[in-house]
Amino acid sequence: EAQVTQNPRYLITVTGKKLTVTCSQNMNHEYMSWYRQDPGLGLRQIYYSMNVEVTDKGDVPEGYKVSRKEKRNFPLILESPSPNQTSLYFCASSHIKDRAGKLFGPGTRLTVT
Amino acid sequence: GENVEQHPSTLSVQEGDSAVIKCTYSDSASNYFPWYKQELGKRPQLIIDIRSNVGEKKDQRIAVTLNKTAKHFSLHITETQPEDSAVYFCAALDTGRRALTFGSGTRLQVQP
Repeated sequence: EAQVTQNPRYLITVTGKKLTVTCSQNMNHEYMSWYRQDPGLGLRQIYYSMNVEVTDKGDVPEGYKVSRKEKRNFPLILESPSPNQTSLYFCASSHIKDRAGKLFGPGTRLTVT
Repeated sequence: GENVEQHPSTLSVQEGDSAVIKCTYSDSASNYFPWYKQELGKRPQLIIDIRSNVGEKKDQRIAVTLNKTAKHFSLHITETQPEDSAVYFCAALDTGRRALTFGSGTRLQVQP
C-alpha cells in the first residue's frame, strides 16, 4: 500500500528541547516536503527536497532544519523549539514531475510549552 | 513571492446543488494548480489538479477551470452530497521557486 508515515503523531515538549519528526514514504518519490497548518493561515511550506541531498527553503523555514540522506526519509528537525512552533505538521511526497503534495502523511500535532 | 487568495471562506449549499470555490494567484510564473480536500481531523487529500497549458479538467462531479490571463482558477462541484462537506484548499506552484503556496481554505457545508 502506498503511504507516507510520520512519527510521532502527537508530541508535547518544552521550549528549547531538540526534537525530530520523521517522515517516510514507500513510493520511491523524488519530491518530499513539509508543511505546517495553523488556524486561519492554511498550509505553509517549510522545506522541500527534490531528491537525495537536495533541499530548499519554503515560505516559513525559520527555526527548522531538514535532511535527505535517503530517498524514502525526510526528517524535520527543530533544534530549539519555541511556542510559536506549536502547530499541525504534514509531510507530503510526489514524483518530481508533479513537485507538489500528491500524498500527505497523517500529520503530527506538536505542542511546545 | 506567490500569493494565493481563496473565496469564499465558508460556503453552505443544499444537497444536489453546485458549489464553486475561486482562487486568484499573483505570480504569472506559476504553472501547476492542485486542489485539496481536508476532512475534519484528517490529512489533505489531492482531489484534482490542472496545469497551465490546460483551461479545464473534469473528473466525475469535480471540475477545475483556469484563466491564466486573469490569474484565476476555480473548483466546481456538481450534485453535491453530504460527504463533500470538508475544507477545500487551492494551491499554486511556482516552478521557478519550486514552492507550493496554499489559499486559506473554504469550509464547504452540504446540507442534506
